[in-house]
Amino acid sequence: KNEVEQSPQNLTAQEGEFITINCSYSVGISALHWLQQHPGGGIVSLFMLSSGKKKHGRLIATINIQEKHSSLHITASHPRDSAVYICAGSYSGGGADGLTFGKGTHLIIQP
Amino acid sequence: DGGITQSPKYLFRKEGQNVTLSCEQNLNHDAMYWYRQDPGQGLRLIYYSQIVNDFQKGDIAEGYSVSREKKESFPLTVTSAQKNPTAFYLCASRETGGLPGYTFGSGTRLTVV
Repeated sequence: KNEVEQSPQNLTAQEGEFITINCSYSVGISALHWLQQHPGGGIVSLFMLSSGKKKHGRLIATINIQEKHSSLHITASHPRDSAVYICAGSYSGGGADGLTFGKGTHLIIQP
Repeated sequence: DGGITQSPKYLFRKEGQNVTLSCEQNLNHDAMYWYRQDPGQGLRLIYYSQIVNDFQKGDIAEGYSVSREKKESFPLTVTSAQKNPTAFYLCASRETGGLPGYTFGSGTRLTVV
């Protein structure tokens, strides 16, 4: 069964801190997605990666295929980064189980 | 720019009424998906469609219906048979062939009172 686990479930940090959110999966994936969900529900796709590392502004996503693990890092965190961060794995062939989602990490950045 | 449009962002309905959520994409993606999110749970698949005029049930299809008459549109109807319809609903689409890149809508939050 495809499973995606995220940690921590909740994270509170001070403005400026370096943030790491972890995601592990049980079955080999073809790609891993990081999503951001703000209060009110809107979801934004941050990254899709299948190997290595991607960077966008203060956000960095890495994936280790051998260890079945991905991390999302936020440098110089800011209160506007407060959101739920969700990882999801897509599996070869797509279809009904093409995406398996983690339960999300609720991040709060305090000023 | 190409993307997925979900409307409305917030929707309120009385119990016992059917309601239809809109999902439109201009990405020329063949596959489209509907997911449901409940507090403390990961998103779960309701229905998906890989081609026009064809769709399949996901993990939690009971109380929902869909149609796929056009490639760009995949509306979801929440029927009165859905026992707990209040939730966040997310539409997604996927490229076919090669790397499975998904695009996500911004979601619709449905509240049934």
